Amino acid sequence: NAGVTQTPKFQVLKTGQSMTLQCAQDMNHEYMSWYRQDPGMGLRLIHYSVGAGITDQGEVPNGYNVSRSTTEDFPLRLLSAAPSQTSVYFCASSRVLNEKLFFGSGTQLSVL
Amino acid sequence: GENVEQHPSTLSVQEGDSAVIKCTYSDSASNYFPWYKQELGKRPQLIIDIRSNVGEKKDQRIAVTLNKTAKHFSLHITETQPEDSAVYFCAASRSSNYKLTFGKGTLLTVNP
Repeated sequence: NAGVTQTPKFQVLKTGQSMTLQCAQDMNHEYMSWYRQDPGMGLRLIHYSVGAGITDQGEVPNGYNVSRSTTEDFPLRLLSAAPSQTSVYFCASSRVLNEKLFFGSGTQLSVL
Repeated sequence: GENVEQHPSTLSVQEGDSAVIKCTYSDSASNYFPWYKQELGKRPQLIIDIRSNVGEKKDQRIAVTLNKTAKHFSLHITETQPEDSAVYFCAASRSSNYKLTFGKGTLLTVNP
């Protein structure tokens, strides 16, 4: 099993550009989520999904969109990138909430 | 929403000593408390978790204790080794929502 696959690993954007971070899991997990990690701030929840067609906002959702058309995929879209979105992004999944979260390898995003 | 405070932010110990990291949470309905370890440049990985119906859980050199009345939980690492050096995150969530809230992390350094 590949587990949680996240692409790209690195990305540089200019202010105002849009992009999609891809996340896929092959473990048939119901729960998928996106976190951003900033120095000294821990991991903050952006959006999450409890199944195909069901998404909801986390702690820091502004500037990001998500969709869940299949169980496997949970892409994160940056609509108009801003320097404040410079961060490391992690996708994570679990069979259900309140069980072990499996993290992807992360995407380091810089917005200039 | 839930707020998780984690202390200390940095911790330095000698190899063989014990290390203790403490977290407090605000939502009395929280019932799941995992700990994640993140080595430099790597993804977070679950090392141990505890549920609210249990006061203590051990796994070899690692233990977690939970005090529901005081709303705090702690990670104990005994006989520390250099490979224990990493950032450790505590987290909390409740069954009725789907949001896992993380503390800001503790950088543990084990000196040989």
